[in-house]
Amino acid sequence: EAAVTQSPRSKVAVTGGKVTLSCHQTNNHDYMYWYRQDTGHGLRLIHYSYVADSTEKGDIPDGYKASRPSQENFSLILELASLSQTAVYFCASSSGTGGYNYAEQFFGPGTRLTVL
Amino acid sequence: GDSVTQKEGLVTLTEGLPVMLNCTYQTIYSNAFLFWYVHYLNESPRLLLKSSTDNKRTEHQGFHATLHKSSSSFHLQKSSAQLSDSALYYCALLNTGYQNFYFGKGTSLTVIP
Repeated sequence: EAAVTQSPRSKVAVTGGKVTLSCHQTNNHDYMYWYRQDTGHGLRLIHYSYVADSTEKGDIPDGYKASRPSQENFSLILELASLSQTAVYFCASSSGTGGYNYAEQFFGPGTRLTVL
Repeated sequence: GDSVTQKEGLVTLTEGLPVMLNCTYQTIYSNAFLFWYVHYLNESPRLLLKSSTDNKRTEHQGFHATLHKSSSSFHLQKSSAQLSDSALYYCALLNTGYQNFYFGKGTSLTVIP
């Protein structure tokens, strides 16, 4: 079964501090994604990557950086955390190739980030 | 650009009644690939069902949906709600590059006895 893990599972950060959220997948998938989930907004794409050492901006990239050092690992970095970044963050992976039938995204358990 | 609209943010139903969660989409491409994801509390979102074929019903775990390209809709239905169906449901559109999903805002379904 596909496996996506995230760490930490929850974090409390101070405004202006640096936060790094990590994601690891053992699916051998090329594509990895970072989403944030907020009530009333659903899942919104922050950054994604389709190959190691390359990242792409999603729909709401401002205030976030991403890093993909290897196929298995994808990090989300908040250089200067702000109150508005309090949310639940989900990482996901997908094959990304082979068309529609292989497009299913597999999600991690989420990281609850609270910025005070 | 592409987008997905889920009209209802919150739906509360009595057990045994039918479920219908609305999903409409907008895309500039002729092909449309639609998905429903379900997110149970304290779990990860996971795929419930998907479709790319116009007017063909797709079913999984008691839920079903039919993609209607003429009305750009992909509503999720179930004949009889169960308490265990309480969850957050996301409709999603896959872009034609098969890489990015556009998620709706989600519908929180609560089933009560």
